[in-house]
Amino acid sequence: EADIYQTPRYLVIGTGKKITLECSQTMGHDKMYWYQQDPGMELHLIHYSYGVNSTEKGDLSSESTVSRIRTEHFPLTLESARPSHTSQYLCASSEYQGIISGNTIYFGEGSWLTVV
Amino acid sequence: AQSVAQPEDQVNVAEGNPLTVKCTYSVSGNPYLFWYVQYPNRGLQFLLKYITGDNLVKGSYGFEAEFNKSQTSFHLKKPSALVSDSALYFCAVRDDNYGQNFVFGPGTRLSVLP
Repeated sequence: EADIYQTPRYLVIGTGKKITLECSQTMGHDKMYWYQQDPGMELHLIHYSYGVNSTEKGDLSSESTVSRIRTEHFPLTLESARPSHTSQYLCASSEYQGIISGNTIYFGEGSWLTVV
Repeated sequence: AQSVAQPEDQVNVAEGNPLTVKCTYSVSGNPYLFWYVQYPNRGLQFLLKYITGDNLVKGSYGFEAEFNKSQTSFHLKKPSALVSDSALYFCAVRDDNYGQNFVFGPGTRLSVLP
């Protein structure tokens, strides 16, 4: 079992609201990720981090932002939510040992966001 | 660049029959290959991975996968399918020449019919 937790699991908010999706892991992993996934569709990497104070943009442009102040915590924030942000957001983590690594990536249960 | 293809959007199999979910990949270096399963409204769960060594990898829930370097494939298999295996399956690759992030395939929906 992966020890990675996401809250909230389900959220319905109004357009223009600010929201933060929380993600925490207790495995001591350096690298953390956020993926966006529409129901039953492919995953899109939107943010990742190599460790504390490191944040990088992923392959899919996103209006969200992330921060990494503590190793175990990697929150994602939308300053002004829009209906186009409606999706599932998956947080994940893995060990990072440099360029060459076969470490497994572990996922949280996901946060379903609906913007009305 | 690395890429992953899952040529079948949907695979249907009868309960008790063997199942195969196909995956092919493209990398510039040595590949690290993974399979994940996703049940409705859940995150992805790790099934198995190939790093090096034996080409046949055994994983969780009776699944196994065969690494074939010449065909650049990593097909997921199970000798006898269960209805509870019905889910979305993702193949992923990590390239040791591009070791930063994982690349996931588009997913294959497996339906096991009773």
